[in-house]
Amino acid sequence: AQSVTQPDIHITVSEGASLELRCNYSYGATPYLFWYVQSPGQGLQLLLKYFSGDTLVQGIKGFEAEFKRSQSSFNLRKPSVHWSDAAEYFCAVGASASKIIFGSGTRLSIRP
Amino acid sequence: GAVVSQHPSRVICKSGTSVKIECRSLDFQATTMFWYRQFPKQSLMLMATSNEGSKATYEQGVEKDKFLINHASLTLSTLTVTSAHPEDSSFYICSVRVGGNQPQHFGDGTRLSIL
Repeated sequence: AQSVTQPDIHITVSEGASLELRCNYSYGATPYLFWYVQSPGQGLQLLLKYFSGDTLVQGIKGFEAEFKRSQSSFNLRKPSVHWSDAAEYFCAVGASASKIIFGSGTRLSIRP
Repeated sequence: GAVVSQHPSRVICKSGTSVKIECRSLDFQATTMFWYRQFPKQSLMLMATSNEGSKATYEQGVEKDKFLINHASLTLSTLTVTSAHPEDSSFYICSVRVGGNQPQHFGDGTRLSIL
């Protein structure tokens, strides 16, 4: 069965510092992988996705993620965070873009 | 601009009433939409897949008679929480399947509070 784990419940980083949010998945084949961001009381916005091809994926708002098959990981990174990046981040995995399951989320706080 | 419109954004009602939530696809003809539920500080859990012109497919553990889904057109799916109780209070989010390898587009969610 497929599953996705986000080991960090809450992360706090200083504004301007780099960021890495971890995501590990369990899936038999190459999955469809996504990172979404959710601001309080809002829906989800897609940051980036990976289906195939280049394992380093560029997304919106300066985010990127790297698919590492050997580690079953799809970690999200940003070189310099902004206060507006404070939100909840969800990693998701699926056999297709249609039916996906979400990780438990990582709440990102930004220290001024 | 928004691709998916969800309405209402927030609803508060008394226990025992029924509440309808609408999910509209603004830019796409959506044969498939999804309904998710999110408890505070938790992840999204898929409740059901809404199929235009046919019955919805419910995930295990989701009561079909409790959460009625109607997908009568290519742009509108509705979720009705029947005889709502306080434990039904949650954040409900819909999404639209665009097709192919394209990711889902999500609505802004509905905060349902049952008193």
